[in-house]
Amino acid sequence: QVQLVESGGGLVKPGGSLRLSCAASGFTFSDYYMSWIRQAPGKGLECISYISTSSTNTNYADSVKGRFTISRDNAENSLYLQMSSLRAEDTAVYYCARVGGSGSYKYFDLWGQGTLVTVSS
Amino acid sequence: SYVLTQPPSVSVAPGKTARLTCGGDNIGSKSVHWYQQKPGQAPVVVVYYDSDRPSGIPERFSGSNSGNTATLTISRVEAGDEADYYCQVCYTSRDLVFGGGTKLTVL
Repeated sequence: QVQLVESGGGLVKPGGSLRLSCAASGFTFSDYYMSWIRQAPGKGLECISYISTSSTNTNYADSVKGRFTISRDNAENSLYLQMSSLRAEDTAVYYCARVGGSGSYKYFDLWGQGTLVTVSS
Repeated sequence: SYVLTQPPSVSVAPGKTARLTCGGDNIGSKSVHWYQQKPGQAPVVVVYYDSDRPSGIPERFSGSNSGNTATLTISRVEAGDEADYYCQVCYTSRDLVFGGGTKLTVL
């Protein structure tokens, strides 16, 4: 069925690195922009990055720019988030989400179940 | 940047109508999307493009957008509608933002 499944979360020390993965199934992955959205414990939603269908365009929130890198492998139907120089404030559930719409009409029409990243010594 | 303002909480009795607002500068000129998030679950889009509903979302959920306020209206509220609701817009062709969320409590 149509779904997104994240993996790779866990406990990491401040300054450390982690790579998240998102496996897509049930739809033509290469047709869609994809994104990572996070939610700190008890807080709201923050879109931290998205990537275009062919990886030519990427966008990052200021909070992660220069530390996180989004990528995708259309042959493997997979989305990735390489996170480095992690900080305590990066602790959150990280969701993979499919982008519906385009340009100024982007929204998120399919979400994974999320993976928890905890940054702590 | 662009700020979306949502009331932290709204309470409504079962069977009544809940109106959740999302305020932003000239938000009526933008396309607003609404998400429902139940405890321990991922968000789900309930309204997109101001007033469109994805398949599977009850007609009780409707949206409107004008001036500086967008509104998600939930008619005939049920206990299962209790959740956090977030609005979201793209304020440029590249940048987007979520509101802080509203916790809907069904009394």
